[in-house]
Amino acid sequence: DQQVKQNSPSLSVQEGRISILNCDYTNSMFDYFLWYKKYPAEGPTFLISISSIKDKNEDGRFTVFLNKSAKHLSLHIVPSQPGDSAVYFCAASPTGFQKLVFGTGTRLLVSP
Amino acid sequence: GAVVSQHPSWVICKSGTSVKIECRSLDFQATTMFWYRQFPKQSLMLMATSNEGSKATYEQGVEKDKFLINHASLTLSTLTVTSAHPEDSSFYICSALSTLLGGEAFFGQGTRLTVV
Repeated sequence: DQQVKQNSPSLSVQEGRISILNCDYTNSMFDYFLWYKKYPAEGPTFLISISSIKDKNEDGRFTVFLNKSAKHLSLHIVPSQPGDSAVYFCAASPTGFQKLVFGTGTRLLVSP
Repeated sequence: GAVVSQHPSWVICKSGTSVKIECRSLDFQATTMFWYRQFPKQSLMLMATSNEGSKATYEQGVEKDKFLINHASLTLSTLTVTSAHPEDSSFYICSALSTLLGGEAFFGQGTRLTVV
């Protein structure tokens, strides 16, 4: 039972354009959502998070949107850079200090 | 951000032997540490949650006698894969969080275990 889903296994974007990565969840108890970036053979790096009391959180080029009624969140990267090429995981937890449930990841490729 | 160090980054061992992986929070005290396993092209699967000074809580399907977790201090947790088999070959990642640092979990670099 995949509680957190990233339906797009890969995404290709040109440098300078917007990258939009999507994530859906099924567990209504999830209250805190995070995005991580991961390179091969390395641990994930935290990017940005959002709690359910907000619908948007922005940090530099990264913006996360949360639609609770649709149980959907998205990560926007603007402008995309080649260095953003990696696998992006969304994760969810019931609160901010609980174990994370990860999606399956989306591989982003930003071409020059 | 906070730094979590995982050691070793890769290890090769023979079937039947045991391997210990260390996870250290270098600049903060981790109230909780998590151990994940990642198979190729798959998501990170939580294996267990450990709190300092108490027994780890294992996820369903994870053999606690095979994957021994010790969280002896607020900065160190260890995962020991006992009597390793080739099917235990995987990428193991630890993460740590502190209530003082908000809800983000910080991850180690991961350990690539190959059992031959």
